[in-house]
Amino acid sequence: DGGITQSPKYLFRKEGQNVTLSCEQNLNHDAMYWYRQDPGQGLRLIYYSQIVNDFQKGDIAEGYSVSREKKESFPLTVTSAQKNPTAFYLCASRQGFNYGYTFGSGTRLTVV
Amino acid sequence: SQQGEEDPQALSIQEGENATMNCSYKTSINNLQWYRQNSGRGLVHLILIRSNEREKHSGRLRVTLDTSKKSSSLLITASRAADTASYFCATDAPSRFGNEKLTFGTGTRLTIIP
Repeated sequence: DGGITQSPKYLFRKEGQNVTLSCEQNLNHDAMYWYRQDPGQGLRLIYYSQIVNDFQKGDIAEGYSVSREKKESFPLTVTSAQKNPTAFYLCASRQGFNYGYTFGSGTRLTVV
Repeated sequence: SQQGEEDPQALSIQEGENATMNCSYKTSINNLQWYRQNSGRGLVHLILIRSNEREKHSGRLRVTLDTSKKSSSLLITASRAADTASYFCATDAPSRFGNEKLTFGTGTRLTIIP
């Protein structure tokens, strides 16, 4: 079955540590996205990529980094510069303009 | 930035009743989409309505769009317990590169009481 796989489901980060969230899709979608969701809130865009080897900052990119070396993969690194990283992170992809997103099941990151 | 604002923030109804949620947005759009999110899960795409459409149906879902008022509504008819979830609208706005990304609203938390 085609879809998006996010891993891990739960992640714990110590202060000053970088962590990487994985996002893999087998839908052959060009565009991929990372959103952050805080409790009871909507989704805020972190980074997005329309094609391989290209990506753009979203509304809250500070403290995050991404790469897009393969069409299937769009990992997100939460760096130590992100002062409030505890949140639910959602990865999504879509076939193209005027299509809906397909979302992964999310990664819940907690700072300990 | 939040483009859409859903109203109400929370809604509780009896099973079998209809549920209506509203979404307002600020800028011109190419399309508007509705998503459902069960607690602790990813979002699921429900329906997309283009800016030149006024109404769209999918099963028990009915979506309307009024571009003059920059607003949309989602109606769920004959609600079921399984409809309990958060519902988000998202707008696909034109940019110099095309419709690059969706901007999501703050969501409506719907609870269906058995």
